[in-house]
Amino acid sequence: QKEVEQNSGPLSVPEGAIASLNCTYSDRGSQSFFWYRQYSGKSPELIMSIYSNGDKEDGRFTAQLNKASQYVSLLIRDSQPSDSATYLCAVIRSGSARQLTFGSGTQLTVLP
Amino acid sequence: NAGVTQTPKFQVLKTGQSMTLQCAQDMNHNSMYWYRQDPGMGLRLIYYSASEGTTDKGEVPNGYNVSRLNKREFSLRLESAAPSQTSVYFCASSEGQARGAFFGQGTRLTVV
Repeated sequence: QKEVEQNSGPLSVPEGAIASLNCTYSDRGSQSFFWYRQYSGKSPELIMSIYSNGDKEDGRFTAQLNKASQYVSLLIRDSQPSDSATYLCAVIRSGSARQLTFGSGTQLTVLP
Repeated sequence: NAGVTQTPKFQVLKTGQSMTLQCAQDMNHNSMYWYRQDPGMGLRLIYYSASEGTTDKGEVPNGYNVSRLNKREFSLRLESAAPSQTSVYFCASSEGQARGAFFGQGTRLTVV
């Protein structure tokens, strides 16, 4: 079982719709969770961090965390073509090896 | 603000050659990381440094060595390059082990 799992996609949504990206993780003791956006040929960019159960909103982005289900999601409201990118979920594992571990990413395409 | 700066941006090596990838950050971050990214594999951690003077192996350390020269700089060395090390390499830094990381622009390495 991978430590951080994401649907690879591709996920396509029409412009203006809500894009929903999902991530599960295996280390129950993980405490810190992140979403990154990566445009083709570019480096990952940190867009959201979440540390406690519930929702965290930042502009058009909402991160949701459910530690009991070991599940993290990212919602993008009013999706724009400029949101087309690969979205990476990342988790900091618990214990002495507090490594920042990434999922393989979900490719999102927003259709005009 | 430069953020995280990696050099070089591109490099072609012959099998068996050695090289060092340089990384420097100007954000006064404690933790630094080296990742490699291959198609379909996501970002995989090679080595990380939780603080100045410490380094730890990540998921794929074989064939690499690192040096945390000071708080700002974290270098990655390939002693004897192999074609399997063809990849895009990213350096990243974070304020602490529980915080999200910020990435450099990447080094595209080809080993022939």
